[in-house]
Amino acid sequence: GAGVSQSPRYKVTKRGQDVALRCDPISGHVSLYWYRQALGQGPEFLTYFNYEAQQDKSGLPNDRFSAERPEGSISTLTIQRTEQRDSAMYRCASSLVERGASEKLFFGSGTQLSVL
Amino acid sequence: QQPVQSPQAVILREGEDAVINCSSSKALYSVHWYRQKHGEAPVFLMILLKGGEQKGHDKISASFNEKKQQSSLYLTASQLSYSGTYFCGTEITDNYGQNFVFGPGTRLSVLP
Repeated sequence: GAGVSQSPRYKVTKRGQDVALRCDPISGHVSLYWYRQALGQGPEFLTYFNYEAQQDKSGLPNDRFSAERPEGSISTLTIQRTEQRDSAMYRCASSLVERGASEKLFFGSGTQLSVL
Repeated sequence: QQPVQSPQAVILREGEDAVINCSSSKALYSVHWYRQKHGEAPVFLMILLKGGEQKGHDKISASFNEKKQQSSLYLTASQLSYSGTYFCGTEITDNYGQNFVFGPGTRLSVLP
């Protein structure tokens, strides 16, 4: 696609429900990152994929958070048993080359998650 | 690990200059600068890859002092369109290899 696409744009859920956030990166991009961004703050790293391999999940806050990119393209970030503190903007970014090659990131518009 | 940015916020009149600083406690492989307008995704401005490198793009330029582990973004003769939040992104090495960490951002407001 022309850019990084994320869906849904907004997600409102009740505490305790599971949510799945989708990211469709730019076609051919090797790297895919998930970030969480609180209002007025910088993006906070969650996890990184090199093609389908999840090479770094050090930023995932706890085991309720998981991510996958099974075919090296579309990725899903899943949050189980959501809590109010999970409310934030979740952004996906992709890059043409693997992490460490100093290449720019292209960000998606994000999914605004609200947990009631 | 998160780099420090200063100032947190700055208000300018159109035509004035501004400097935004980014510093890290870790050795830097590169520094990226992004601008985010309200309600939008961060957009790439430039990458600085080696110490002493300076880059420019219209009236926005940046420098990278690898030894001091810091970078500065210079906005000259600011325009209304420069308003937004500026983030530096730093490539560092942590326990998982090279990682990319953003600063907290500097909010720039340019007034007519």
